[in-house]
Amino acid sequence: SQQGEEDPQALSIQEGENATMNCSYKTSINNLQWYRQNSGRGLVHLILIRSNEREKHSGRLRVTLDTSKKSSSLLITASRAADTASYFCANTSGTYKYIFGTGTRLKVLA
Amino acid sequence: DTGVSQDPRHKITKRGQNVTFRCDPISEHNRLYWYRQTLGQGPEFLTYFQNEAQLEKSRLLSDRFSAERPKGSFSTLEIQRTEQGDSAMYLCASSLEAIKGRINTGELFFGEGSRLTVL
Repeated sequence: SQQGEEDPQALSIQEGENATMNCSYKTSINNLQWYRQNSGRGLVHLILIRSNEREKHSGRLRVTLDTSKKSSSLLITASRAADTASYFCANTSGTYKYIFGTGTRLKVLA
Repeated sequence: DTGVSQDPRHKITKRGQNVTFRCDPISEHNRLYWYRQTLGQGPEFLTYFQNEAQLEKSRLLSDRFSAERPKGSFSTLEIQRTEQGDSAMYLCASSLEAIKGRINTGELFFGEGSRLTVL
């Protein structure tokens, strides 16, 4: 399978805590993206980090990229119950094909 | 613009029947993707169109699967002689290829998916 791996597979935290999830991929990349999926719904784009970037922020999201280790992490700060969802990384090495990871299922308890 | 729409949202069929899903991408998007997602897994790439041309087809797609994008607008994904293993969520996504002078965010816009259950 070309799919990347995400770690942990499932994460349960209290509201207000930070959530960190990690993604590993197999090939060299042009960019890496993170998506969110609520149960039974489509995916929604969160943030993109290019291969020449090491860190990026967007609101409560912080993404890091380590191309030497072929890994990325997504940090959600001050989590809310509404952040409960599955989170996927997706990488592209070419111009159009996106390969998704297996996902982290985040549950934020109120 | 109402985003990417998929139809039907749910389809229950008996093994051996044919099913067809439709995807209407965001109107100006020239790239269209089909992915398949099973429970607890990430989306798996099935096929990709640039305008009306199908540029790549995954080995996951057997000969029972066919996708079209006539005129580079909407797309259909047909599964012939369905099997229970075809049960999954079929996701469509679209994006805009970088055009000179315009910034391409590389973002995929997904529809809500078509859930197929094969009995």
